[in-house]
Amino acid sequence: EIVLTQSPGTLSLSPGERATLSCRASQSVTSTYLAWYQQKPGQAPRLLIYGASSRATGIPDRFSGSGSGTDFTLTISRLEPEDFAVFYCQHYGNSRVTFGPGTKVDIK
Amino acid sequence: EVQLLESGGGLVQPGGSLRLSCAASGFTFSTYAMSWVRQAPGKGLEWVSSISGNDGNTNYADPVKARFSISRDNSQNTLFLQLNSLRAEDTAVYHCAKLSGTALTTSRVLSHWGQGTLVTVSS
Repeated sequence: EIVLTQSPGTLSLSPGERATLSCRASQSVTSTYLAWYQQKPGQAPRLLIYGASSRATGIPDRFSGSGSGTDFTLTISRLEPEDFAVFYCQHYGNSRVTFGPGTKVDIK
Repeated sequence: EVQLLESGGGLVQPGGSLRLSCAASGFTFSTYAMSWVRQAPGKGLEWVSSISGNDGNTNYADPVKARFSISRDNSQNTLFLQLNSLRAEDTAVYHCAKLSGTALTTSRVLSHWGQGTLVTVSS
């Protein structure tokens, strides 16, 4: 069973700064099956990135994903006020869904 | 526009049962696998169960296996989750979500999510 670890747990940044979020898998995974979601308080999660690096429909290009094997990264190039939220990575394998514990990006 | 609207949550005593529903619209329901994902208060996301689009295949997370049952009615564009033998640790918002493929083996991501319905298990 794949276990996903995210770091840091909380990232305190100011609008305009760059955010770099990490997701590490307990064993090598196929990039095709790695995704990132954003969740704001009181809202449903929203798909941001699929296939490790492809943006979902309507997602601004300040969001980018990269990585392979066991190490994946979500980067927000310049934080906008609406970007502050919790971000989860997710793996799909053996018809099962696994989420990381999340990284909270809050306003410094 | 894809819309997913959950209902059926509420307060239930330990050992009790509930049936959650998710009404889907804006896409051809039978051609997509669907999932339930829950989120305990103040906690992260936890996958619960998935069902394929049209061949009846299902899968469950270990904590709910043998207690929960996922099903769907493609004629009514509705997804269900039957929750039995409920425990305090099942307290959570339950979201339904649309998978990206028809079969469980060809899906990859949860492309659309509903707002969720709150299940509270307490005496």
